[in-house]
Amino acid sequence: EIVMTQSPATLSVSPGDRVTLSCRASQSVSSDLAWYQQKGGQAPSLLMYDVSTRAAGVPARFSGGGSGTDFTLTISSLQSEDFAVYYCQHYKTWPYTFGQGTKLEIK
Amino acid sequence: QVQLQESGPGLMKPSETLSLNCTVSGAPINNFYWSWIRQPPGKGLEWVGYIYTGGRANSNPSLKGRATISADASKRQIYLRLTSVTAADTAVYYCARFWSGRISLWGRGTLVSVSS
Repeated sequence: EIVMTQSPATLSVSPGDRVTLSCRASQSVSSDLAWYQQKGGQAPSLLMYDVSTRAAGVPARFSGGGSGTDFTLTISSLQSEDFAVYYCQHYKTWPYTFGQGTKLEIK
Repeated sequence: QVQLQESGPGLMKPSETLSLNCTVSGAPINNFYWSWIRQPPGKGLEWVGYIYTGGRANSNPSLKGRATISADASKRQIYLRLTSVTAADTAVYYCARFWSGRISLWGRGTLVSVSS
């Protein structure tokens, strides 16, 4: 099983900040990497897939990068609606696994 | 608009068998991949298993064969059966549709609590 590790667990940030979230895979997942956003009490929603392709309706302030084992999700200028938990997930081989999440909280 | 609605028992006792249904509305279920994903309270996400309505199904090896996923295209339903539940199986269970490994559609989830 490929283990996904996200850092940091929690990030205290302010609206307007630029933030970068990290995700590391225990072995190469090539470009088979997605990011999800989960707001309180809701199901996750797809943000990014194939590392850097934004899902439909996702604002351009979100961008993804990396390949192999190290990946990032960057939010260029945080908006109030972006405070949530973010998960990375690989789909290289079964079982597909998620990282433990990074929570963005208001500073 | 395609929607997914999970339903289940809510509260269970240890050693019982969990049966969950996911009803798909707004589209047929054929030729898609459907999955069950769970999230223990306050914790992260775990992929339980998936089915392709052409017949192929798979479950997470971490569940040691306890999980079975099936589907009935005529009823537009996806099923999860999880045997010998313990408190560690307490979670919100999501039904989801995915393609090429990424989940594009989620249900709202149903909470299953296991307690004696």
